[in-house]
Amino acid sequence: AQTVTQSQPEMSVQEAETVTLSCTYDTSESDYYLFWYKQPPSRQMILVIRQEAYKQQNATENRFSVNFQKAAKSFSLKISDSQLGDAAMYFCAYRSLETSGSRLTFGEGTQLTVNP
Amino acid sequence: DGGITQSPKYLFRKEGQNVTLSCEQNLNHDAMYWYRQDPGQGLRLIYYSQIVNDFQKGDIAEGYSVSREKKESFPLTVTSAQKNPTAFYLCASSSRSHRGNEKLFFGSGTQLSVL
Repeated sequence: AQTVTQSQPEMSVQEAETVTLSCTYDTSESDYYLFWYKQPPSRQMILVIRQEAYKQQNATENRFSVNFQKAAKSFSLKISDSQLGDAAMYFCAYRSLETSGSRLTFGEGTQLTVNP
Repeated sequence: DGGITQSPKYLFRKEGQNVTLSCEQNLNHDAMYWYRQDPGQGLRLIYYSQIVNDFQKGDIAEGYSVSREKKESFPLTVTSAQKNPTAFYLCASSSRSHRGNEKLFFGSGTQLSVL
């Protein structure tokens, strides 16, 4: 079974600065998807960014980008120009393409605080 | 507006009681999921359904039951066999793709507490 680990329970960043959230995963599969979800205080889960394992190019969505290192099984999220609205719990998630269904395996989460 | 509706927002369960959490979607999605979230932890999969009248156990199915009689609806029953039901429950749905890149849409969740 796949596992996802987020080793930083809490992180903080100054407004307008850059922060990187770490995620590692364990799998024996060669093709899969990785995701970062954001959960603000409203507790609504919001997709931030996704990465296909077979694509070498790192995904980017506006101020959010990833550093995908397939060999190291690492998938970090970089938030540039941090804004107060970025404060949330961030979850890394893995989806297998070799098992049925679209089930996601989530990490434990990183609570991000943005300081004004 | 299309989306997923979970109700109620807050639910209280008495000892030995079964309670049912509602999840309805109007996105025409084939697949639906139930996740449990405990404080300081990630989401864990309870049950999922890829098509009407079919569902599979997730990682923590014991003490829970589901049904999928309609495409739009995927209710979750927390039975008295679930000894630690206090948690935040999230329902999600997605289109059924063979590629795996489909986005999961989440509801706003139900907080279940034991009296």
